[in-house]
Amino acid sequence: GQQLNQSPQSMFIQEGEDVSMNCTSSSIFNTWLWYKQDPGEGPVLLIALYKAGELTSNGRLTAQFGITRKDSFLNISASIPSDVGIYFCAGQDDYKLSFGAGTTVTVRA
Amino acid sequence: NAGVTQTPKFQVLKTGQSMTLQCAQDMNHEYMSWYRQDPGMGLRLIHYSVGAGITDQGEVPNGYNVSRSTTEDFPLRLLSAAPSQTSVYFCASSYSGLTTSTDTQYFGPGTRLTVL
Repeated sequence: GQQLNQSPQSMFIQEGEDVSMNCTSSSIFNTWLWYKQDPGEGPVLLIALYKAGELTSNGRLTAQFGITRKDSFLNISASIPSDVGIYFCAGQDDYKLSFGAGTTVTVRA
Repeated sequence: NAGVTQTPKFQVLKTGQSMTLQCAQDMNHEYMSWYRQDPGMGLRLIHYSVGAGITDQGEVPNGYNVSRSTTEDFPLRLLSAAPSQTSVYFCASSYSGLTTSTDTQYFGPGTRLTVL
């Protein structure tokens, strides 16, 4: 499978902060996707990006498809407690999805 | 509209046993896929199907079989379970395999499998 490097591995958020995470690959993808997974549940698709350079928002979430087609980032603005969870990036090529290892977002005590 | 359903939710097998993980969707989606998720890792694609009668291998297909006789169902068969197949298995579906911006994808709740 194709290797996706997702960073950071984990992060702590404080309510109201903006946070960002990114994903890079050695291979080109036609589609980049971002998911959130809560404990004990399946992933939920947050944003799908279909064109290089595309910038797409979904509420407080903004994601971009890198111009080289080898990277993508996700920003969460004004974070709230329910933003905690694991966020995964994924790249798609010819119906096949390759996932990053995830970014675990936790609330800072 | 139940979305994507998976059964069972939990399963314990002994090495060498066989079993079938069930996945069904009621959204008339053409594309269905199976993933496994191991601790600290992202999901890895096992098999996928772009429509009834059509299946193909993903990243980690060894030890698993699939068939797609109807649009609604996409069962995953473990032929001879091994401890390395201990994992959480997720089924997903989408209308067109996320090839258009109007498509979306849904995951089932997962099956937690332990092989002793």
